Amino acid sequence: DAGVTQSPTHLIKTRGQQVTLRCSPISGHKSVSWYQQVLGQGPQFIFQYYEKEERGRGNFPDRFSARQFPNYSSELNVNALLLGDSALYLCASSLAIGDNSYEQYFGPGTRLTVT
Amino acid sequence: DQQVKQNSPSLSVQEGRISILNCDYTNSMFDYFLWYKKYPAEGPTFLISISSIKDKNEDGRFTVFLNKSAKHLSLHIVPSQPGDSAVYFCAASAIRFGNEKLTFGTGTRLTIIP
Repeated sequence: DAGVTQSPTHLIKTRGQQVTLRCSPISGHKSVSWYQQVLGQGPQFIFQYYEKEERGRGNFPDRFSARQFPNYSSELNVNALLLGDSALYLCASSLAIGDNSYEQYFGPGTRLTVT
Repeated sequence: DQQVKQNSPSLSVQEGRISILNCDYTNSMFDYFLWYKKYPAEGPTFLISISSIKDKNEDGRFTVFLNKSAKHLSLHIVPSQPGDSAVYFCAASAIRFGNEKLTFGTGTRLTIIP
């Protein structure tokens, strides 16, 4: 059974540009979360989506946005890129909110470099 | 404000011995705790979790202990194997408040010495 998939694997962008990252959850998982991990730190929560609705938002600026599609896949968009946005972006999926199973399973991540 | 802390950046253990990784938290709303293992250039891999209604959970070579009064949890790996060399992250969430977001520590790099 396929795990969480993310695309692209690596991305290089210039300051001021916009980027879209994509994520497909594990089959049967309805909740998708996004995290940012910078070197030497643990992942930081950006968004959680469930059934196409935003269920949580971390302490990130409005330049960050996301959405979830009817097939539960998700996109993370970042506008007006800054050098500090360079990081590993991780997508995680979980079964469903309130399903008594709260483990989140991570994809391999997208490495974004902003120059 | 670091709500989840892993105070040991690194740990070296002989193969076959016990590895003990520690984690402390400050937010008393946290009620679900997870450990993840991460290899370079990969996403975190879920290892084991524990709810605050328990004080111990075991899965094969991995055991997690939770001390709620001390706001402390630990991951025991017995016996340690070379493939266990990785960065280990502790994470916490406040499930009973409807908040599934994970708050992570900064990680501990475990090296198993053959």
